[in-house]
Amino acid sequence: DIQLTQSPSTLPASAGDTVTITCRASQSVSTALVWYQQKPGRAPKLLIYQASHLENGVPSRFSGSGSGTEFILTISSLQPDDFASYYCQQFNSYPRTFGQGTKVEIK
Amino acid sequence: QVQLQESGPGLVKPSETLSLTCTVSGGSVFNSYWTWIRQPPGRGLEWIGHIFYNGGSANYHPSLKSRVAISVDTSKNQFSLKLDSVTAADTAVYFCARGYELLRHWGQGTLVTVSS
Repeated sequence: DIQLTQSPSTLPASAGDTVTITCRASQSVSTALVWYQQKPGRAPKLLIYQASHLENGVPSRFSGSGSGTEFILTISSLQPDDFASYYCQQFNSYPRTFGQGTKVEIK
Repeated sequence: QVQLQESGPGLVKPSETLSLTCTVSGGSVFNSYWTWIRQPPGRGLEWIGHIFYNGGSANYHPSLKSRVAISVDTSKNQFSLKLDSVTAADTAVYFCARGYELLRHWGQGTLVTVSS
């Protein structure tokens, strides 16, 4: 199985901050990686696909980069609605695997 | 707009079978992959498996493969999850979703507790 390790696990931040979340894969997944946002009691929401492509309707303050084994999700000018958990997921191989998640919380 | 809704028992006894159904509305199960994912309370997401609408190309997480089955009922526009011989470790919120790689449409999730 491909392991995805996200850092940090918790990210205290303030509205207006720019934050970055890293996802490292135990082996290359090329660009077969997505990012999801999840709020408490809700289903995950697709933000970024193919490592760097913004999903329709997702604000442009979200961006993704990377390939191979290292990926970054950046949220510029954090908004109150962005305080949530974020997960990376690879679909390069089976089983599909998720990172353990990063919770962006109010500082 | 495709909508998905999970249904099934919220409480299952240890060693019994967990059975959930996902009803698809606003769209058809045809020509899509259908996925199940779970999330233990307070923890991260775990991919369970997916299947093509015609029952082909089913893939399951190796850790669950001996106990899990996903099926599609095109006549009812539904797909289902069965997980045998459950233990407390199977307690989780179970989500159904549409997609093979990108999961754009999800159900709201349903909590299944395994307890006697």
